[in-house]
Amino acid sequence: GAGVSQSPSNKVTEKGKDVELRCDPISGHTALYWYRQSLGQGLEFLIYFQGNSAPDKSGLPSDRFSAERTGGSVSTLTIQRTQQEDSAVYLCASSLASGVNEQFFGPGTRLTVL
Amino acid sequence: QKEVEQDPGPLSVPEGAIVSLNCTYSNSAFQYFMWYRQYSRKGPELLMYTYSSGNKEDGRFTAQVDKSSKYISLFIRDSQPSDSATYLCAMTISGNTPLVFGKGTRLSVIA
Repeated sequence: GAGVSQSPSNKVTEKGKDVELRCDPISGHTALYWYRQSLGQGLEFLIYFQGNSAPDKSGLPSDRFSAERTGGSVSTLTIQRTQQEDSAVYLCASSLASGVNEQFFGPGTRLTVL
Repeated sequence: QKEVEQDPGPLSVPEGAIVSLNCTYSNSAFQYFMWYRQYSRKGPELLMYTYSSGNKEDGRFTAQVDKSSKYISLFIRDSQPSDSATYLCAMTISGNTPLVFGKGTRLSVIA
């Protein structure tokens, strides 16, 4: 079956512009996670959804970052007024919500802010 | 001190060698431990998943967890050039909670 998909695969934007990143989780996976992977920093947790609710937003670095999930499926991560330090690979993962903690990752969106 | 420490390498070994990758952690509440493999410009893929202490073997891969020492390891036997990738350890407290990752170790297996 299909895995986690993300779009776009690459995004180049100018400083100050807004960007939207999309994640399509595996069908039937109710938990969805966003992570950011910066050069030399490893993966950092951003936000977690259970269904359409976000019980943990503790990793969002500033109020320029927001995310939503609709229909318990697709999620969008929005970064407003992008800064150069936002340049990174943004990864989405999904998992079943029955205590099984295997998270399956998408290929990521590579964001470059000029 | 970061919650999870992992030597970034790079680590270079000849084909057929046994590879040992390690992570240490500080949070004694971690119960679930994973190893992910990430090829260049791809998302991480789950290799091994272990609950609490002990060993788990899957083909050429063995994962070990020592909670008393807060230390986890991944061993790769008979390493192959196709094993060349970045290996990330990850851990969490309970099911469906965010993973805390190490920075990853870059491995090259030379033919």
